[in-house]
Amino acid sequence: GENVEQHPSTLSVQEGDSAVIKCTYSDSASNYFPWYKQELGKGPQLIIDIRSNVGEKKDQRIAVTLNKTAKHFSLHITETQPEDSAVYFCAARYDMRFGAGTRLTVKP
Amino acid sequence: GAVVSQHPSWVICKSGTSVKIECRSLDFQATTMFWYRQFPKQSLMLMATSNEGSKATYEQGVEKDKFLINHASLTLSTLTVTSAHPEDSSFYICSARSSEVYNEQFFGPGTRLTVL
Repeated sequence: GENVEQHPSTLSVQEGDSAVIKCTYSDSASNYFPWYKQELGKGPQLIIDIRSNVGEKKDQRIAVTLNKTAKHFSLHITETQPEDSAVYFCAARYDMRFGAGTRLTVKP
Repeated sequence: GAVVSQHPSWVICKSGTSVKIECRSLDFQATTMFWYRQFPKQSLMLMATSNEGSKATYEQGVEKDKFLINHASLTLSTLTVTSAHPEDSSFYICSARSSEVYNEQFFGPGTRLTVL
């Protein structure tokens, strides 16, 4: 099955800085790569996704890049705000096996 | 976006009892639903995948007789934790994949189960 690795496990940035979280996957057949944000005590919320026929996708302060050759994809958050503090999960393929998660803390 | 609900949001039960958790897709049809378990400060672990009208597919190490899954309609899946024990205490989250939008999945808010 698919193996998804996520780094870093924790990330602390100053408000206004950028944050980057990276995931690698093993199955070259994977064709869908979503990113989820989970706040304490809540279910994950889809924040952005990318399909294998696209290299980059952007939605305001959030962007995702995909390198199919290297089998990795990254989440980029610019101009971070305290409300961006949460745990972020990546996933690969349709059966939604998650990475280990990254706890992002944005310091005001 | 599409909405997935779970009920109850939290439940406390005695050891040895069974608990049923419902997962509903409110404004779309879900041919496939997934059940996850999440322990504190850990990632979501896929427990099983259920397709409407057929038996669920369980992940390795998940006891199908203990975690009963029923996906009776395109908008409802249930997870029953039978003979619950304290080690079953966890955050259970369902997700539903839309039959209309390829690959997109939407998660419920989760159910916190505490077994005394």
